[in-house]
Amino acid sequence: GAVVSQHPSRVICKSGTSVKIECRSLDFQATTMFWYRQFPKQSLMLMATSNEGSKATYEQGVEKDKFLINHASLTLSTLTVTSAHPEDSSFYICSAPGSHGYTFGSGTRLTVV
Amino acid sequence: AQRVTQPEKLLSVFKGAPVELKCNYSYSGSPELFWYVQYSRQRLQLLLRHISRESIKGFTADLNKGETSFHLKKPFAQEEDSAMYYCALQGSGRRALTFGSGTRLQVQP
Repeated sequence: GAVVSQHPSRVICKSGTSVKIECRSLDFQATTMFWYRQFPKQSLMLMATSNEGSKATYEQGVEKDKFLINHASLTLSTLTVTSAHPEDSSFYICSAPGSHGYTFGSGTRLTVV
Repeated sequence: AQRVTQPEKLLSVFKGAPVELKCNYSYSGSPELFWYVQYSRQRLQLLLRHISRESIKGFTADLNKGETSFHLKKPFAQEEDSAMYYCALQGSGRRALTFGSGTRLQVQP
């Protein structure tokens, strides 16, 4: 079935640095990718929707200059957390719609120290 | 605005007992409802969707528009059902899912 490969699974970075998270669709083309963020013991919150070949759509309250999203091809979407701060520490998950529903990446746990 | 509420953070039952994980939603139109499951150290995966009206791994869920609910049920819980369960809603005209906060199901031997 459709698989979304998400990397890295874990990353620890220093405050002020940038971190890139990649999501690749395997065996299918993802023209759209949803990026979610999940705080401990809380729900997945939609951050933005990336569309191949056009600008991402951000949810209210999400800083587009801080969370840069690029959807350069039909199989790759990236989320870059720029100038990371400890409050950006969270679990980030991507998801792509497919013929059998939504396929999720395995998530990236970001810790900013 | 659309919202999904899962009132129970944790539900603990014994093997063989019936299980009901509650989900209520708020949406003005006709939503599509889903249940997703996340087993330990695995990614989220679709368990079932209301339009399919099917039973997966013994679980069923019926959409009750009057009560705006989509509770997940299983008559006899198994230890391998222990996982995190998320109820999710997709509104018309919006492709992204809105998730509930999740319920952790623990099935004890």
